Amino acid sequence: DIQMTQSPSSLSASVGDRVTITCRASQSISSFLNWYQQKPGKAPKLLIYTASSLQSGVPSRFSGSGSGTDFTLTISSLQPGDFATYYCQQSYSTPPTFGGGTKVEIK
Amino acid sequence: QVQLQESGPGLVKPSETLSLTCTVSGGSISSSYWSWIRQPPGKGLEWIGYIYYSGRTNYNPSLKSRVTISVDTSKNQFSLKLSSVTAADTAVYYCATSITGTTLHYWGQGTLVTVSS
Repeated sequence: DIQMTQSPSSLSASVGDRVTITCRASQSISSFLNWYQQKPGKAPKLLIYTASSLQSGVPSRFSGSGSGTDFTLTISSLQPGDFATYYCQQSYSTPPTFGGGTKVEIK
Repeated sequence: QVQLQESGPGLVKPSETLSLTCTVSGGSISSSYWSWIRQPPGKGLEWIGYIYYSGRTNYNPSLKSRVTISVDTSKNQFSLKLSSVTAADTAVYYCATSITGTTLHYWGQGTLVTVSS
């Protein structure tokens, strides 16, 4: 299985801050990388697919980049509703695997 | 937009079989891939497997010996069976849909299944 490693595991930030989360794959996955947002007690929600494509309805302050083994999720200006846990997931091969998550908390 | 809803027992005894159903509304199950994912309390996400509407399946090798996913197109439902459960199978179980099989576009709200005697 392809291992996905996220960093940091948690971070504290303020409304308006620029936030960057990184994800590294244990082997090259081309651009087959997705990002999900999960709020407490809710299901994950797809934000970005194939590394940089924004899912319909997702605000443009979210962006993704990267290819190969290293990827980044950026929130350009953190909003109150963005405090959540974010997961990366590789869709290059089965089984699809997830990173351990990054919890974004209010500073 | 398609909506998914999981249903099934919230408590299963050790060594028994966990059975869940996902009902699809707002779209036909006769297209796309239909997946199950689980999340132990306070932990990360684990993909269990998917079924294509035609019946073709793909399971996580770590669970393959215990998992069966099936589809009932007449009811617009698909189901999960996980046999010989232990406490380690306690988790929130989600169903989800995918165009590609491995990118999970829409999810159900999830259902907590506890394995305990």
